[in-house]
Order: sequence, then C-alpha cells, then structure tokens
Amino acid sequence: NAGVMQNPRHLVRRRGQEARLRCSPMKGHSHVYWYRQLPEEGLKFMVYLQKENIIDESGMPKERFSAEFPKEGPSILRIQQVVRGDSAAYFCASSPGQGNEQFFGPGTRLTVL
Amino acid sequence: AQKITQTQPGMFVQEKEAVTLDCTYDTSDQSYGLFWYKQPSSGEMIFLIYQGSYDEQNATEGRYSLNFQKARKSANLVISASQLGDSAMYFCAMRDEIYSGANSKLTFGKGITLSVRP
Repeated sequence: NAGVMQNPRHLVRRRGQEARLRCSPMKGHSHVYWYRQLPEEGLKFMVYLQKENIIDESGMPKERFSAEFPKEGPSILRIQQVVRGDSAAYFCASSPGQGNEQFFGPGTRLTVL
Repeated sequence: AQKITQTQPGMFVQEKEAVTLDCTYDTSDQSYGLFWYKQPSSGEMIFLIYQGSYDEQNATEGRYSLNFQKARKSANLVISASQLGDSAMYFCAMRDEIYSGANSKLTFGKGITLSVRP
C-alpha cells in the first residue's frame, strides 16, 4: 500500500506565478490535511478536506490560496501570484476517518525567486 | 485555542543513553490527543507515538515512551538506547478530539533538534 504521495517534491516559481501542489492520499483515505512549514518552524495547519468538501480552512490565508479535493484525482493546493514569503515546505497528510494517526507525505519544497 | 511549547535548545545525547525531550501544552478541551513526530534531515514527517488524554497508561512504542503528566500538562518523549539514526528534529503536536474525534487538525510545537554523539 503506497503511502501519501506529493508532487512535485521541489518547485521553483518566480514572483507572480502560480504554484500547484498535488497530494494523493493513501488508498482508502478520504480525509486530507495541508500544513505549511516555514524555515526553523513547526508545521502550521492550513486546510482540512474530505472528498469534494472543505471541512476546516481556518489556517488558510484569505487571499491567493485555495484547495480542493475532487471526487476523482488528487487534492490540489493552489497558490496564485506567489511572493517570496510563500517559500516553505508544504506537507499533506491523510487519514482514513477513524483511528489515531495522520500519515504524512514527503512534502513539496516551494522556492519563490 | 491549543498551544504546544517546546523550549529546549538543541539537545545532545551519547549513543546508547536515554534522552527526554520536553513538551508542554495548553488547551481547554477535555478530550485531546498528543503526538510526537520525527523529522530527519531528509524532511519527511515520521509518526512516533500517540497518547490520548483519557489513557491511563503512558504510551510506549519500542524505544519511545511518552511521559504523560496531565495535571502538569506535559507530554515528554523519552527515547531509550539512543542510536545515531535518532539525530533529527522532534515535534510535539496535539489535536482536539471532543467534537471531531480523530478527524481534526494538529497543532505543532516549534520542535527540538536532537544530536546523537557516537
């Protein structure tokens, strides 16, 4: 059973471009969480989604950031008009909806030039 | 609101010795879960151990144990018989479980760097 997959692993964008980060949860998992880790910091929650629904987006910046988890395909975190402060590691985690653990993907390292 | 505090500076331990990594938390929730994750230099987040707030026994997973002191709101991680591969960042995290059960966001501390000396 493959783990949580994220791609790309590394993404470089220039200021003003769009960044799309993908997350494929573990098989059978319908709950996805996105976290952001700034340098020298812990992870900060951004958004929690179930299939086709946003459950909790209390950690998402109000502008430029959006997330979706369609019925088919991976979850997408989209950052429009990126700025240097968006440079960070973005982690996706998934859970089956029961049990204790959130399983993390390897992360996407976004660098904004 | 939930808060996790990890204030130790970088920690050093001799190989094969035990080490304790401190974590204190603050929450008004009655039901919550506490976690420890390891982040090696490669960057992935590795789950180590979980403690439920109503669990009477301290959690153990192999060489990892969680020293849970509910009244003091502390959840320290104890690593026994340290190995060189234990060198990494260690994050304490918690989540509210009273409304959403296991389906709730994690709140992380800032982490502690552990270096194991040969």
